[in-house]
Amino acid sequence: NAGVTQTPKFQVLKTGQSMTLQCAQDMNHEYMSWYRQDPGMGLRLIHYSVGAGITDQGEVPNGYNVSRSTTEDFPLRLLSAAPSQTSVYFCATTDGKETQYFGPGTRLLVL
Amino acid sequence: LAKTTQPISMDSYEGQEVNITCSHNNIATNDYITWYQQFPSQGPRFIIQGYKTKVTNEVASLFIPADRKSSTLSLPRVSLSDTAVYYCLVGDPIMIYNQGGKLIFGQGTELSVKP
Repeated sequence: NAGVTQTPKFQVLKTGQSMTLQCAQDMNHEYMSWYRQDPGMGLRLIHYSVGAGITDQGEVPNGYNVSRSTTEDFPLRLLSAAPSQTSVYFCATTDGKETQYFGPGTRLLVL
Repeated sequence: LAKTTQPISMDSYEGQEVNITCSHNNIATNDYITWYQQFPSQGPRFIIQGYKTKVTNEVASLFIPADRKSSTLSLPRVSLSDTAVYYCLVGDPIMIYNQGGKLIFGQGTELSVKP
């Protein structure tokens, strides 16, 4: 039981490039979300999904797209990377009870 | 969601009890109080959750006064490995799940435990 996995662990992009951050969970949770964490800012919600086929925007959705075709996977896409998107990205999942389970994070550097 | 206020940083020594207080003056009737711990280069990890009075588990205790406008996370006899950032969150778990509500993380409290 791997819990929440994220790939890649680290990525360097040039401005304007696109990429997809992968998130997968094997806990059969309906709710998944993406956060970014920047120094002094805490964690901020980017997008979330309450089930397959359903997604919605969080606090800071601009520049990011998501889709949820299966319960297990919730990829985050950067269509045209910008230096302001340099951050650590965390995927999380919950069964709707008391806790969210976070992945190990993806460190993204946009040059 | 209720806004929370925590100290930005705290220092302690091994073996001491650490109490981190969080203010949430606008907490709503259905809101729960949840604390997460985050080590460097890792995702946050659930510590404890409560609604009122006192909750205790194998890791920590959570004290919530009757007015619920604040809460205190208590870590007994901290060790160096407790050095981390601690986040206080307030929200309605049911709303978050069913209605797409948001878990809002504040800046957290950076706890530094020294030998």
